[in-house]
Amino acid sequence: DAGVTQSPTHLIKTRGQQVTLRCSPKSGHDTVSWYQQALGQGPQFIFQYYEEEERQRGNFPDRFSGHQFPNYSSELNVNALLLGDSALYLCASSLAPKIGNTIYFGEGSWLTVV
Amino acid sequence: QKEVEQDPGPLSVPEGAIVSLNCTYSNSAFQYFMWYRQYSRKGPELLMYTYSSGNKEDGRFTAQVDKSSKYISLFIRDSQPSDSATYLCAMSASRGADGLTFGKGTHLIIQP
Repeated sequence: DAGVTQSPTHLIKTRGQQVTLRCSPKSGHDTVSWYQQALGQGPQFIFQYYEEEERQRGNFPDRFSGHQFPNYSSELNVNALLLGDSALYLCASSLAPKIGNTIYFGEGSWLTVV
Repeated sequence: QKEVEQDPGPLSVPEGAIVSLNCTYSNSAFQYFMWYRQYSRKGPELLMYTYSSGNKEDGRFTAQVDKSSKYISLFIRDSQPSDSATYLCAMSASRGADGLTFGKGTHLIIQP
């Protein structure tokens, strides 16, 4: 049973560029959330997708956008990259946004902005 | 004041010791409380979750929640070098339906 898979694992971008990160949820899961984890910090919630719609959003600017596909996989897009966007980006999946469902994390995508 | 406070450590203890990890929080709406373990450069792995106040035990791990004090704890008995990792507390008002709010994480080192 494949867990949450993310790609790419590492990437380097230049300030001002755009980046797309990808996530495949755990088998059977239909809800995907994205988190940003800066070095030495806990993960911060970016947004959650369910039924191909953004259901909830954390305190992140509009430069951060996402998409969920019919097969439940998801993309995170970040435009106009800043040095401060350098972080580990984590994808988490669960079964429907309901009380009591366990949330599983992927290994993350390391983004370095130079 | 951050919503969730967690001492970042590092916390270094000898093998076999009992480890106590703690978080405090300010949002009284939080009802679901989780502990994740994160090894270096890996994704967080769910260890324990608790709903509302009370204790939950799973093997060497015990999670405690005291909502009246807005304080949660994770105890690790008979600690092993393989327990060395960063431990993150996380919480939400309705787990699964809300984004999780994490603490900063405590870096734990178990000395052989």
